[in-house]
Amino acid sequence: DTEVTQTPKHLVMGMTNKKSLKCEQHMGHRAMYWYKQKAKKPPELMFVYSYEKLSINESVPSRFSPECPNSSLLNLHLHALQPEDSALYLCASSQAIGLAGNNEQFFGPGTRLTVL
Amino acid sequence: KNEVEQSPQNLTAQEGEFITINCSYSVGISALHWLQQHPGGGIVSLFMLSSGKKKHGRLIATINIQEKHSSLHITASHPRDSAVYICAVRVQGAQKLVFGQGTRLTINP
Repeated sequence: DTEVTQTPKHLVMGMTNKKSLKCEQHMGHRAMYWYKQKAKKPPELMFVYSYEKLSINESVPSRFSPECPNSSLLNLHLHALQPEDSALYLCASSQAIGLAGNNEQFFGPGTRLTVL
Repeated sequence: KNEVEQSPQNLTAQEGEFITINCSYSVGISALHWLQQHPGGGIVSLFMLSSGKKKHGRLIATINIQEKHSSLHITASHPRDSAVYICAVRVQGAQKLVFGQGTRLTINP
């Protein structure tokens, strides 16, 4: 299994809603990533988890809350979002981070989020 | 100035043409990635390079570490190759990728 899956594919939510994005991989990867991508722009890194611990938080607003319940799963909890948070949210995984190991990242298909 | 620059930004060609997309970077890197993204879609990793050349089907990627430059070539291009191609580098000692702005490729039948 060389796939990263993300659910849901599309999500529409109001500014007062609470929702979660889910990401799953079964490649035994120990690093997982959340990216945000606006239209016609490259992905922007949000969070990195390494061995289920938060390794990087790119100064993301607290209305985005990541969670890594186990080595295969990565969640992104959303609360009180703004319309400008509408974007494609991409999850990725890699065998490891840092200088050692294979750092090739495998990306999921993304969740297209619209905040009304 | 971005640490990773791609050229051209947009490229339109006819089916069958040989395509070259360039990537230049200004930092020391441990690896360079070429990624493909179809409209509205997720990202597919095409290559990860740290030296030399790699080939997969009609796609060829090369890197010159001394010149801090990489190229992605597509031979016998096809309309299904139409996508955004993104160059991304892993800076030495860093944990994250730095992305180029992408090259939007359109292959007309």
